[in-house]
Amino acid sequence: SQQGEEDPQALSIQEGENATMNCSYKTSINNLQWYRQNSGRGLVHLILIRSNEREKHSGRLRVTLDTSKKSSSLLITASRAADTASYFCATDSTNYGGSQGNLIFGKGTKLSVKP
Amino acid sequence: EPEVTQTPSHQVTQMGQEVILRCVPISNHLYFYWYRQILGQKVEFLVSFYNNEISEKSEIFDDQFSVERPDGSNFTLKIRSTKLEDSAMYFCASNTLGTGELFFGEGSRLTVL
Repeated sequence: SQQGEEDPQALSIQEGENATMNCSYKTSINNLQWYRQNSGRGLVHLILIRSNEREKHSGRLRVTLDTSKKSSSLLITASRAADTASYFCATDSTNYGGSQGNLIFGKGTKLSVKP
Repeated sequence: EPEVTQTPSHQVTQMGQEVILRCVPISNHLYFYWYRQILGQKVEFLVSFYNNEISEKSEIFDDQFSVERPDGSNFTLKIRSTKLEDSAMYFCASNTLGTGELFFGEGSRLTVL
């Protein structure tokens, strides 16, 4: 089974619209993180939400976590062309049999924001 | 702002050759990692390193792979005899606590011909 599956795989929107990406996972987690990757570049950490949190905000980002459904969503409000990138969720299960620092990444959502 | 740096940015090698990828983690970080991303696929964990030894390794990290911290700043990944399927982006990462946010480098693209 695969941990951390995002949907949609690709999302194309106009500048100013909101973008919502979802992530599902299978095992218990310590925290869930979202990363961004510009094409051919490294991963940049966006936001971390702990298993006892339900919602978190950072600037134009809003993350929710539903541990009963084992799912998370990332909302980017008022999107900009510069938000064009791939977005990955990653789960940390250090206290639940996962190895320390071994984040399990999903396949990502490729977001395209058209000006 | 401190960052993780990786060299080379791109390496092309022949199958069977040895490759060393280098990383300089953020200076006050204690945990170091290698991940890889085959083109178009997921980012996959290879190995974690703490206190001068491997903490965890994945099934991908077989006997052909090794890691080393030869001095106080560098962290290297060696592939002894490269295979075609080793072609991927290799990312180094580090953090202070071994859990939570990872700080990634820009990656080293390895192409095995």
